[in-house]
Amino acid sequence: DIQLTQSPSFLSASVGDRVTITCRASQGISNFVAWYQQKPGKAPKLLIYAASTLESGVPSRFSGSGSGTEFTLTISSLQPEDFATYYCQQFNTGPHTFGQGTKLEIK
Amino acid sequence: EVQLVESGGGLVQPGGSLRLSCAASGFSFSSYWMSWVRQAPGKGLEWVADINQDGSEKYYVDSVKGRFTISKDNTKNSLYLQMNSLRAEDTAVYYCTRERGIKHSGIWYPSSDIWGQGTMVTVSS
Repeated sequence: DIQLTQSPSFLSASVGDRVTITCRASQGISNFVAWYQQKPGKAPKLLIYAASTLESGVPSRFSGSGSGTEFTLTISSLQPEDFATYYCQQFNTGPHTFGQGTKLEIK
Repeated sequence: EVQLVESGGGLVQPGGSLRLSCAASGFSFSSYWMSWVRQAPGKGLEWVADINQDGSEKYYVDSVKGRFTISKDNTKNSLYLQMNSLRAEDTAVYYCTRERGIKHSGIWYPSSDIWGQGTMVTVSS
Protein backbone atom coordinates (compact mmCIF):
# COMPACT_ATOMS: atom_id res chain seq x y z
CA ASP A 1 0.00 0.00 0.00
CA ILE A 2 1.09 3.58 -0.62
CA GLN A 3 1.91 5.47 2.57
CA LEU A 4 1.33 9.23 2.81
CA THR A 5 3.29 11.16 5.43
CA GLN A 6 2.23 14.69 6.26
CA SER A 7 4.47 17.24 7.89
CA PRO A 8 4.18 18.84 10.26
CA SER A 9 1.57 16.91 12.27
CA PHE A 10 0.83 20.06 14.31
CA LEU A 11 1.23 23.66 13.24
CA SER A 12 0.70 26.78 15.29
CA ALA A 13 0.17 29.99 13.33
CA SER A 14 -1.47 33.41 13.48
CA VAL A 15 -4.18 35.06 11.42
CA GLY A 16 -2.57 36.50 8.29
CA ASP A 17 0.32 34.01 8.23
CA ARG A 18 1.29 32.01 5.16
CA VAL A 19 1.48 28.28 5.95
CA THR A 20 2.54 25.23 3.98
CA ILE A 21 1.73 21.60 4.68
CA THR A 22 3.68 18.84 2.96
CA CYS A 23 2.47 15.36 1.95
CA ARG A 24 5.07 12.80 0.90
CA ALA A 25 4.17 9.52 -0.80
CA SER A 26 6.10 6.27 -0.37
CA GLN A 27 6.12 5.85 -4.15
CA GLY A 28 5.22 7.95 -7.16
CA ILE A 29 1.54 8.81 -7.47
CA SER A 30 1.64 11.25 -10.40
CA ASN A 31 -0.76 14.05 -9.37
CA PHE A 32 -3.61 11.90 -8.09
CA VAL A 33 -3.85 13.77 -4.80
CA ALA A 34 -6.72 15.51 -3.07
CA TRP A 35 -6.67 17.75 0.01
CA TYR A 36 -9.43 18.05 2.62
CA GLN A 37 -10.21 20.30 5.56
CA GLN A 38 -11.98 18.91 8.62
CA LYS A 39 -13.35 20.85 11.56
CA PRO A 40 -14.23 19.19 14.89
CA GLY A 41 -17.40 17.13 14.74
CA LYS A 42 -17.84 17.74 11.00
CA ALA A 43 -17.29 15.76 7.83
CA PRO A 44 -14.22 16.58 5.75
CA LYS A 45 -14.54 19.14 2.96
CA LEU A 46 -12.78 18.85 -0.38
CA LEU A 47 -10.37 21.71 -1.05
CA ILE A 48 -8.14 20.59 -3.94
CA TYR A 49 -8.05 17.69 -6.40
CA ALA A 50 -5.56 16.62 -9.05
CA ALA A 51 -2.89 18.04 -6.72
CA SER A 52 -3.42 21.65 -7.76
CA THR A 53 -7.01 22.26 -8.94
CA LEU A 54 -9.10 24.32 -6.56
CA GLU A 55 -12.56 22.91 -5.86
CA SER A 56 -15.40 25.23 -6.79
CA GLY A 57 -16.31 27.59 -3.96
CA VAL A 58 -13.01 27.20 -2.09
CA PRO A 59 -11.25 30.53 -1.41
CA SER A 60 -8.29 31.34 -3.62
CA ARG A 61 -5.97 31.67 -0.62
CA PHE A 62 -5.77 27.86 -0.76
CA SER A 63 -3.42 26.37 -3.34
CA GLY A 64 -1.83 23.01 -4.02
CA SER A 65 1.19 21.86 -5.93
CA GLY A 66 3.40 18.86 -6.54
CA SER A 67 3.75 15.71 -8.55
CA GLY A 68 5.36 12.34 -8.07
CA THR A 69 6.08 11.90 -4.38
CA GLU A 70 5.94 15.39 -2.86
CA PHE A 71 2.91 17.63 -2.58
CA THR A 72 2.11 20.84 -0.76
CA LEU A 73 -0.98 22.66 0.44
CA THR A 74 -0.46 26.37 1.00
CA ILE A 75 -2.75 28.87 2.67
CA SER A 76 -1.54 32.32 1.64
CA SER A 77 -3.10 34.37 4.45
CA LEU A 78 -4.70 32.47 7.31
CA GLN A 79 -8.23 33.42 8.25
CA PRO A 80 -9.91 32.49 11.57
CA GLU A 81 -12.08 29.89 9.84
CA ASP A 82 -9.01 28.05 8.48
CA PHE A 83 -7.98 26.62 11.84
CA ALA A 84 -8.78 22.94 11.33
CA THR A 85 -7.17 19.61 10.48
CA TYR A 86 -5.99 18.99 6.92
CA TYR A 87 -5.59 15.65 5.16
CA CYS A 88 -4.10 14.57 1.85
CA GLN A 89 -5.41 11.48 0.02
CA GLN A 90 -4.01 9.58 -2.95
CA PHE A 91 -6.08 8.06 -5.73
CA ASN A 92 -3.23 6.61 -7.79
CA THR A 93 -3.51 3.06 -6.43
CA GLY A 94 -5.96 1.24 -4.17
CA PRO A 95 -6.42 1.43 -1.23
CA HIS A 96 -6.90 5.19 -1.50
CA THR A 97 -4.88 6.05 1.58
CA PHE A 98 -4.92 9.29 3.59
CA GLY A 99 -2.10 11.09 5.29
CA GLN A 100 -2.22 11.14 9.09
CA GLY A 101 -3.42 14.74 9.18
CA THR A 102 -2.03 18.16 10.10
CA LYS A 103 -3.75 20.05 12.89
CA LEU A 104 -3.51 23.81 12.37
CA GLU A 105 -3.95 25.73 15.61
CA ILE A 106 -4.11 29.38 16.52
CA LYS A 107 -0.90 30.74 18.02
CA GLU B 1 -29.54 19.86 -2.90
CA VAL B 2 -26.84 17.23 -3.23
CA GLN B 3 -26.89 15.19 -0.05
CA LEU B 4 -25.73 11.94 1.54
CA VAL B 5 -27.34 10.70 4.76
CA GLU B 6 -25.93 7.72 6.63
CA SER B 7 -27.84 5.53 9.06
CA GLY B 8 -27.53 2.18 10.81
CA GLY B 9 -24.73 2.85 13.27
CA GLY B 10 -24.90 1.79 16.90
CA LEU B 11 -23.43 -0.35 19.64
CA VAL B 12 -22.58 -3.95 18.75
CA GLN B 13 -20.67 -6.69 20.54
CA PRO B 14 -17.38 -8.03 19.21
CA GLY B 15 -18.07 -10.66 16.57
CA GLY B 16 -21.42 -9.10 15.74
CA SER B 17 -22.79 -7.60 12.54
CA LEU B 18 -24.17 -4.27 11.44
CA ARG B 19 -25.42 -2.87 8.13
CA LEU B 20 -24.85 0.78 7.34
CA SER B 21 -26.95 2.62 4.77
CA CYS B 22 -26.35 5.85 2.89
CA ALA B 23 -29.25 7.59 1.14
CA ALA B 24 -28.24 9.81 -1.76
CA SER B 25 -30.26 12.67 -3.21
CA GLY B 26 -29.83 15.58 -5.58
CA PHE B 27 -27.60 13.86 -8.15
CA SER B 28 -27.56 10.95 -10.54
CA PHE B 29 -26.48 8.25 -8.07
CA SER B 30 -26.08 5.56 -10.73
CA SER B 31 -23.37 7.63 -12.49
CA TYR B 32 -20.89 7.73 -9.63
CA TRP B 33 -18.38 5.62 -7.77
CA MET B 34 -19.16 5.69 -4.04
CA SER B 35 -17.00 4.97 -1.01
CA TRP B 36 -16.94 4.48 2.76
CA VAL B 37 -14.33 6.27 4.88
CA ARG B 38 -14.02 5.84 8.63
CA GLN B 39 -12.49 7.78 11.50
CA ALA B 40 -11.74 6.21 14.86
CA PRO B 41 -12.27 8.50 17.87
CA GLY B 42 -9.53 11.13 17.95
CA LYS B 43 -7.77 9.60 14.95
CA GLY B 44 -7.33 10.32 11.25
CA LEU B 45 -9.30 9.29 8.21
CA GLU B 46 -9.12 5.74 6.81
CA TRP B 47 -10.48 4.78 3.40
CA VAL B 48 -12.47 1.54 3.78
CA ALA B 49 -14.00 0.54 0.45
CA ASP B 50 -15.41 1.78 -2.82
CA ILE B 51 -17.72 0.56 -5.57
CA ASN B 52 -18.18 1.52 -9.18
CA GLN B 53 -21.27 2.86 -10.86
CA ASP B 54 -23.07 -0.45 -11.50
CA GLY B 55 -21.63 -2.38 -8.53
CA SER B 56 -19.49 -4.69 -10.64
CA GLU B 57 -16.18 -3.48 -9.15
CA LYS B 58 -15.49 -3.36 -5.43
CA TYR B 59 -12.28 -2.62 -3.55
CA TYR B 60 -11.44 -2.86 0.14
CA VAL B 61 -8.68 -1.97 2.55
CA ASP B 62 -6.91 -5.14 3.72
CA SER B 63 -8.11 -4.84 7.33
CA VAL B 64 -11.77 -5.35 6.33
CA LYS B 65 -11.43 -7.80 3.43
CA GLY B 66 -13.58 -10.88 3.98
CA ARG B 67 -15.56 -9.16 6.77
CA PHE B 68 -17.15 -6.09 5.10
CA THR B 69 -19.17 -5.96 1.90
CA ILE B 70 -19.96 -2.76 0.02
CA SER B 71 -23.00 -2.67 -2.25
CA LYS B 72 -25.31 -0.19 -3.91
CA ASP B 73 -28.90 -0.18 -5.13
CA ASN B 74 -29.27 2.32 -7.94
CA THR B 75 -33.06 1.91 -7.93
CA LYS B 76 -33.13 3.12 -4.34
CA ASN B 77 -30.25 5.64 -4.61
CA SER B 78 -28.61 3.88 -1.70
CA LEU B 79 -25.16 2.68 -0.69
CA TYR B 80 -24.60 -0.02 1.91
CA LEU B 81 -21.84 -1.46 4.05
CA GLN B 82 -22.46 -4.88 5.55
CA MET B 83 -20.04 -5.35 8.44
CA ASN B 84 -19.55 -8.82 9.91
CA SER B 85 -17.16 -10.23 12.52
CA LEU B 86 -16.79 -6.78 14.02
CA ARG B 87 -13.78 -5.97 16.18
CA ALA B 88 -13.05 -3.25 18.72
CA GLU B 89 -10.73 -1.61 16.19
CA ASP B 90 -13.69 -1.11 13.82
CA THR B 91 -15.10 1.46 16.26
CA ALA B 92 -15.33 4.71 14.29
CA VAL B 93 -17.52 7.26 12.60
CA TYR B 94 -18.31 5.90 9.14
CA TYR B 95 -18.74 8.41 6.31
CA CYS B 96 -20.30 7.76 2.94
CA THR B 97 -18.71 9.75 0.10
CA ARG B 98 -19.30 10.41 -3.57
CA GLU B 99 -16.18 9.79 -5.64
CA ARG B 100 -16.33 12.28 -8.48
CA GLY B 101 -14.01 12.07 -11.49
CA ILE B 102 -12.97 15.22 -13.33
CA LYS B 103 -11.23 14.93 -16.72
CA HIS B 104 -8.09 17.01 -17.33
CA SER B 105 -6.08 16.51 -20.53
CA GLY B 106 -7.70 13.14 -21.12
CA ILE B 107 -7.05 11.83 -17.60
CA TRP B 108 -9.72 11.26 -14.94
CA TYR B 109 -8.90 12.64 -11.52
CA PRO B 110 -11.02 11.28 -8.67
CA SER B 111 -11.79 12.92 -5.35
CA SER B 112 -14.43 12.59 -2.64
CA ASP B 113 -16.42 15.76 -3.27
CA ILE B 114 -19.56 15.03 -1.23
CA TRP B 115 -19.59 13.54 2.29
CA GLY B 116 -22.38 12.48 4.57
CA GLN B 117 -22.56 13.57 8.20
CA GLY B 118 -21.32 10.19 9.41
CA THR B 119 -22.75 7.41 11.57
CA MET B 120 -21.04 6.12 14.71
CA VAL B 121 -20.25 2.43 15.11
CA THR B 122 -19.12 1.25 18.53
CA VAL B 123 -17.87 -2.31 18.97
CA SER B 124 -17.75 -3.18 22.65
CA SER B 125 -18.96 -5.76 25.12
